[in-house]
Formats: sequence, C-alpha cells, structure tokens
Amino acid sequence: GIQVEQSPPDLILQEGANSTLRCNFSDSVNNLQWFHQNPWGQLINLFYIPSGTKQNGRLSATTVATERYSLLYISSSQTTDSGVYFCAVEGGSGNTGKLIFGQGTTLQVKP
Amino acid sequence: DTEVTQTPKHLVMGMTNKKSLKCEQHMGHRAMYWYKQKAKKPPELMFVYSYEKLSINESVPSRFSPECPNSSLLNLHLHALQPEDSALYLCASSQVRGLAGAKETQYFGPGTRLLVL
Repeated sequence: GIQVEQSPPDLILQEGANSTLRCNFSDSVNNLQWFHQNPWGQLINLFYIPSGTKQNGRLSATTVATERYSLLYISSSQTTDSGVYFCAVEGGSGNTGKLIFGQGTTLQVKP
Repeated sequence: DTEVTQTPKHLVMGMTNKKSLKCEQHMGHRAMYWYKQKAKKPPELMFVYSYEKLSINESVPSRFSPECPNSSLLNLHLHALQPEDSALYLCASSQVRGLAGAKETQYFGPGTRLLVL
C-alpha cells in the first residue's frame, strides 16, 4: 500500500516564526488532505490539495504530485497553532475514501 | 455548515457491556467513515459506508458492529470489548462525486474517547 512520511516529527517555534512541514508519499494520489489536530482531539480540515497551491490566511499548501510531496507553510505562528499536523492521502482509483495518514508533525509554539 | 457531531464525548465501559457510538451529519454527504486513533498515533480507518452500504471493512473484529440507518446517521455498536480497544473513535463524512463514486474532502467529528475497563 501507499506509504506516507511526514517531517519533521517534532517542531518547536517561538511565536511569530514561520515553518514548513513536509509530506512525502510513495505513489500517485487522488486525494491529499492536511489536518490540524488540536489538544482536545478534534481533527480540523486545513486543505484538500491533491495538486497545486492553496492559501488560507496564514496557512498555505503546495502539492507537487509528479514528485510525490506536499508542503504546508505556517507563517507568523501563534500559540493556537500548536498541535499535531497530519497529512493524509488516498491512492489508487480514488473511489474508496480510504485515507492513509502520516505519523504527524507535533508543533509547539511558545509565547 | 461543515459539522459532524458525535455522542457521547466520553464513554467508560466494562468488557461485558454493550454500548453504541453515534455520529450525525446534515451536509448531505453520502459517504461516512469510522476511524480509531490510539494515543500518539495517527487515525486508522475502520469502516466506510457509501450510499448507506458498507463498502470497506478494514478487517475489524466482530465486536465492533457498524450500522448506517440513513444517510445522516452512522452508529458503531460495541460488545465484549477488550482494554486494548480503548481509544479515540472518530467519525467523518464526505461528498461522493460522479458515477465512479469518488470521495471528496473528509470532515471529522470531535470524537468519542472510549475507556474499556
């Protein structure tokens, strides 16, 4: 099956700093989503981005499908950005809905 | 509205109990999912329902029994669970597009934290 690797596993930032999170995947994908899981466990959908670039406020994401990676950019980080960021992909025909999650990047933003 | 609701938020049960988890969405989505997440691990898919029919069962033990009574509701019936089944159980839903049934963005509920004693 498709493999998903995220880096770095852990990241500590000072408030106001910028960061880049990376997601590598082993095969072509039909669906790629970035999620933020807050300390209470809620998975918040950030981007649906199987290819291309999207921006939403301080967050942006780029997926280069031909090179099998996606990047999540966080600018001017805030303490509320802390939590775990997951990349999840669906390979194959794209009709199953089976998302495979990476191990996540745990982000801590210090005031 | 992109809200998926789950009840209860927390559940403690003994190994001989029978309980049910409930998930509801009113976004008109026709695919619904159950995931299991252990502490410090990513979510893992358990079941997928598409148009109220079970389309994926990821070799989940029979002590977990899903049910989709209508397009807005998804239940997970629990019976004779083991302590290792303690986890966060997440429900999600997504739209289904086209004749091939491609699944679109998945939206997750807040989860049910289950403790099996």
